[in-house]
Amino acid sequence: GAVVSQHPSWVICKSGTSVKIECRSLDFQATTMFWYRQFPKQSLMLMATSNEGSKATYEQGVEKDKFLINHASLTLSTLTVTSAHPEDSSFYICSARRQGALSYEQYFGPGTRLTVT
Amino acid sequence: AQKVTQAQTEISVVEKEDVTLDCVYETRDTTYYLFWYKQPPSGELVFLIRRNSFDEQNEISGRYSWNFQKSTSSFNFTITASQVVDSAVYFCALSEEYNNNDMRFGAGTRLTVKP
Repeated sequence: GAVVSQHPSWVICKSGTSVKIECRSLDFQATTMFWYRQFPKQSLMLMATSNEGSKATYEQGVEKDKFLINHASLTLSTLTVTSAHPEDSSFYICSARRQGALSYEQYFGPGTRLTVT
Repeated sequence: AQKVTQAQTEISVVEKEDVTLDCVYETRDTTYYLFWYKQPPSGELVFLIRRNSFDEQNEISGRYSWNFQKSTSSFNFTITASQVVDSAVYFCALSEEYNNNDMRFGAGTRLTVKP
């Protein structure tokens, strides 16, 4: 149990276009989802926290108008990178906290590799 | 603010050697959780262990062992008799009970085990 999927697993897009990444909890309901970004050979950095039905909370330095997060249901959160540029190329990982679970329990998705050309 | 330091950027060992990955953390909370994750080249994080701040017992799982010491704010990870398949990036992470439990990661240690 507690499986999180991401789609797509990798995507290449042209500079200036937008790309949407989906994060789904497959066998549980997730009240909270987290989005992380990992540049090559670097650590995971938390971008934002989203709670189902409310606006996401962004970390300092993360542009909320550029990285649109929608957590419309208890099993799906989406991250849209708007007007993507090469510097947005990164590995994006989501995690989900199960509804009713202990506060520290997070389950990570497999990640989405974004390349902007 | 919570902080995790993994001072070892890269470690290279020969198969069957023991290796210890260091992790030092900072937190003001009394209730927190420490984690170790393995990230192979595929990128997917593999959960290894979680420890809460009230449980300082060391843990052993096969060739893996963890040493949690609150007195030095350290949570070190030892691989005994390393194998080539252990080659990966290892992350230590901290989650605070009263900070929404978002997870803060250390910089990671890239372990290479040579045959």
